[in-house]
Order: sequence, then structure tokens, then C-alpha cells
Amino acid sequence: GAVVSQHPSRVICKSGTSVKIECRSLDFQATTMFWYRQFPKQSLMLMATSNEGSKATYEQGVEKDKFLINHASLTLSTLTVTSAHPEDSSFYICSARVIRQRPTEAFFGQGTRLTVV
Amino acid sequence: TQLLEQSPQFLSIQEGENLTVYCNSSSVFSSLQWYRQEPGEGPVLLVTVVTGGEVKKLKRLTFQFGDARKDSSLHITAAQTGDTGLYLCAGDLSSGSARQLTFGSGTQLTVLP
Repeated sequence: GAVVSQHPSRVICKSGTSVKIECRSLDFQATTMFWYRQFPKQSLMLMATSNEGSKATYEQGVEKDKFLINHASLTLSTLTVTSAHPEDSSFYICSARVIRQRPTEAFFGQGTRLTVV
Repeated sequence: TQLLEQSPQFLSIQEGENLTVYCNSSSVFSSLQWYRQEPGEGPVLLVTVVTGGEVKKLKRLTFQFGDARKDSSLHITAAQTGDTGLYLCAGDLSSGSARQLTFGSGTQLTVLP
């Protein structure tokens, strides 16, 4: 299957700083990537849909000024958590889909464990 | 309200036992996928089902897509400790955007030695 690489896998940052998480599709072009947040032993919660060359679409309740998404190329999307607070600590996962393929299977990154201290 | 309801939410069984996880919805899906996720990692795709009534087998795992494409089940035979993980169903809504996957609520499976 396709490969999606997410970096870093773990990050600890101080409250008030910003953290950038990268998501790359390694062997295919992803016009659309998705960013999820996950709490322990729970399902994935969609935060936003990242579209190459255009603005991201955020889910209700997700602050777009806090979670900045940039999808500058067909293989890279980034999520920046700005002015991080301890309540932002979570597991963040990106996903990419080959949209022209049916069924449109999703391939996931390895996830990023963010801890804000 | 969760569009895709999974049951049970938590399941703890002994090694060697059989189990079934259910994924139900009132909506029709054009395709449905099952993933397994281990702690600290991203979900890994197990199978995709597309046709109503379809049954797919992956070693000790049997996946079934309902005739009406509104529900699915995952049956594990003779569970092993390595089967422990979070199982997620996810689907493409027939009437929705082809881009966004709808995820189930998840089933946390623990297989005890």
C-alpha cells in the first residue's frame, strides 16, 4: 500500500510555543490530506481537510487560527499548533487518500504524540 | 451522534476465544474499511469491502459487509495476544463527499494470555 510519513513521532514543548508537524506522501500524490486528533482508546476525530493549493476546511469547533494547516505541494501537508497549551496535548494523525482511485482507501501516518508542559 | 456505531466499545477475552465486532449505521456506504491501531501508531488498513453481502477473509479474520451496505462485522477466530489493539471501521458515504472517511467509534480489544 501507499506510504505516508509523519514527523516528528513525539514532541514535548513548552506552553506558549508553536509546534509544526509534517505529513508526507512518499510514493503517490495526495491532493487531499486529513488531520485527526485522537484521545486514548478513542476513535479518530477529524480536525480538518487539507487541500493542495487552497485553504483547509476545518471541522466545527476546531480553531483555524490555532491549528494552522498548509498544503503547499502534492506530497506535503503541515499542521502547526500555535501558542500550545497543556490541553492541546494529544495524539495527532494525518491521512492521505488517492482520490482518483475507487474505493478511496486512506493511508495513515505514524502519528505524533504532542505533550505541552 | 456517531454516524457509525461500533460495538462493543471494549472487549477483553482469553487467548483462543472467538469474537465479533459490529459496525452499524442507518446510512448506506459505497465502501467500508477496517483498520487496526496499536498504541502510539497510526491505523493500519486490514481490508476494504465494497459489494453488499461481500465476505473477505484474512487468515483468522473474517469481514462481512451487510447486504444493504449499512453495516459490517469483523469476526476473529482463536484470538491471539497479537490481535490486541483498537479496531476501527470507516466508510465512504454513498451520498457524501468522496473525500472524507466516516470513522466508527472504535472497539478496544484486549486478548489475555
